[in-house]
Amino acid sequence: DTAVSQTPKYLVTQMGNDKSIKCEQNLGHDTMYWYKQDSKKFLKIMFSYNNKELIINETVPNRFSPKSPDKAHLNLHINSLELGDSAVYFCASTRVRGGREGQDETQYFGPGTRLLVL
Amino acid sequence: AQKITQTQPGMFVQEKEAVTLDCTYDTSDQSYGLFWYKQPSSGEMIFLIYQGSYDEQNATEGRYSLNFQKARKSANLVISASQLGDSAMYFCAMRARGAGSYQLTFGKGTKLSVIP
Repeated sequence: DTAVSQTPKYLVTQMGNDKSIKCEQNLGHDTMYWYKQDSKKFLKIMFSYNNKELIINETVPNRFSPKSPDKAHLNLHINSLELGDSAVYFCASTRVRGGREGQDETQYFGPGTRLLVL
Repeated sequence: AQKITQTQPGMFVQEKEAVTLDCTYDTSDQSYGLFWYKQPSSGEMIFLIYQGSYDEQNATEGRYSLNFQKARKSANLVISASQLGDSAMYFCAMRARGAGSYQLTFGKGTKLSVIP
């Protein structure tokens, strides 16, 4: 039983193409995220999506757009791919509760999608 | 703004020895959570341990423990009895409350190598 799954695992494409990465979670979580891990292994939040509220990291180019058909899915669509988009993209999910923090707010990550733009 | 600092880019430890991975954080929030994740060479991100800012006791999960010193704003990960399978990147992260979402801010990671 995979908790957070992503497809594809590897994606090699040409500059200028449009591509999508799919993410699904079966944990019943209500918040999902996309992170980018660069070649130096640094992880940075791109988007979070909770109950149809999208929070965008202001540094993310508008070529990137998340799409959530339902609570269990958050896909990432990328237009006009550039060389600098090559990275590992992680989807994550959490069950967020208001008020005091708790371990339920732990984010569980998918296996990652390794994107290489040529 | 939240910030996580991991000052050790790489660490070596002898098998069966204990090792401490350093993490300091900076936040103005009174309520926050601290996490450690492991990323082996296969690439997945594995959750290890969590510490809440209101927790009075240090968190423990099997061979992992978190040495939480709130006044010093540090949340060091201690791995006891290191195993070869512990060789991986380790990331410290903090839950930031950004506009209603609970984003994680990550440190740059520490690469741990366990020597047989």
